[in-house]
Amino acid sequence: GAGVSQSPSNKVTEKGKDVELRCDPISGHTALYWYRQSLGQGLEFLIYFQGNSAPDKSGLPSDRFSAERTGGSVSTLTIQRTQQEDSAVYLCASSSQTGVNSPLHFGNGTRLTVT
Amino acid sequence: AQSVSQHNHHVILSEAASLELGCNYSYGGTVNLFWYVQYPGQHLQLLLKYFSGDPLVKGIKGFEAEFIKSKFSFNLRKPSVQWSDTAEYFCAVNNQGGKLIFGQGTELSVKP
Repeated sequence: GAGVSQSPSNKVTEKGKDVELRCDPISGHTALYWYRQSLGQGLEFLIYFQGNSAPDKSGLPSDRFSAERTGGSVSTLTIQRTQQEDSAVYLCASSSQTGVNSPLHFGNGTRLTVT
Repeated sequence: AQSVSQHNHHVILSEAASLELGCNYSYGGTVNLFWYVQYPGQHLQLLLKYFSGDPLVKGIKGFEAEFIKSKFSFNLRKPSVQWSDTAEYFCAVNNQGGKLIFGQGTELSVKP
């Protein structure tokens, strides 16, 4: 596809369940980012990948959050034992390189609601 | 730690009014600066960017931003807004280390 694709677009889950969010970046983009957007909180950085490795995972809120990227392409963000405060829109973005000069291309996000 | 601060959470303007959205960042080294926009129901997209050179940068749809290094600021401006500019605007800073830090966002509502 032409853009960054995220699935599912909406996810409602019960507190305590695990969820997995998927991101398909633009083909050929080596850098991939995950952000969380909460009402009034702006975009909170979670983690970014360069290829399959994650040079910076400092934004992951707790050890319940993990992410991986395989084949330098698809990435999954996993939240274990979800809590109500995890409710947010999770955004994925990719760029052709990391660090400088490359703008991020965002997906439409996954809206996660924990009941 | 790097941080980005946007002063206004919600701005309401009438069409043809001038716009200035404030953005300040905290980082002493070399930075790259961005403004992203999110129109209702759409994904975030790049509005303009500054890397080096002329501190006054022009973006799409008549927007511009000025980098003032001494003030750690990168304010967004538009001389005359239109109803179609209604959106949420995010300032972002990258210190060339890979991580792009965003501000809290400013919601702009333009009344026709």
